[in-house]
Amino acid sequence: EIVLTQSPGTLSLSLGESATLSCRASQSLSRSYLAWYQQKPGQAPRLLIYGASSRATGIPDRFSGSGSETDFTLSISRLEPEDFAVYYCHQYDKSPRTFGQGTKLEIK
Amino acid sequence: EVQLVESGGGLVQPGGSLRLSCSASGFTFSTYDMHWVRQAPGKGLEYVSGIISHGDGTSYADSVKGRFTISRDNSKNMMYLQMTSLRTDDTAMFYCVKTSNLYFLDYWGQGTLVTVSS
Repeated sequence: EIVLTQSPGTLSLSLGESATLSCRASQSLSRSYLAWYQQKPGQAPRLLIYGASSRATGIPDRFSGSGSETDFTLSISRLEPEDFAVYYCHQYDKSPRTFGQGTKLEIK
Repeated sequence: EVQLVESGGGLVQPGGSLRLSCSASGFTFSTYDMHWVRQAPGKGLEYVSGIISHGDGTSYADSVKGRFTISRDNSKNMMYLQMTSLRTDDTAMFYCVKTSNLYFLDYWGQGTLVTVSS
């Protein structure tokens, strides 16, 4: 199965700063079937990005995704209070689907 | 509005069985693949199982293969997860998740908690 490794494990930033989250796949995602989710405590995950770079409906343009093959990035600009959460990448390129272990974005 | 409502969670002893249900509404259930994803307390997301729209294709994570069985009843807009030989490390919130027509997971239920403990 494809292993997704997210880094860093925790990212401490201040309001207004920019965040860069990484997701590395153990094998190439040839179709770039990589999604990003945000999860807050006590809530189900929320879809942010699909197809590596397409924003889901209602997601602000402060969120952007990029990458291909084995290296993918989620970028968040101008951090707002509601952005502090845990972020997961997910590959649906090859079966079985897998998730990264998550990056916690916390307020500095 | 898409709604996914899980039920059937609870406390079960190691070695026991449990059947989870997911009731779907707000979309044409029979035309979308569906999945179960779980999350142990304080841990990350783990893909469990998936079933294609007409129910004749399934997939499982290695950790549950041979113990869990996914199924669906398109006439009732329901999906199920039959869990047997439960272990303490199966303790988790189980989410019912819909696939989009571009294969990514788009809508999640609120989850049902399964606790395996003696």
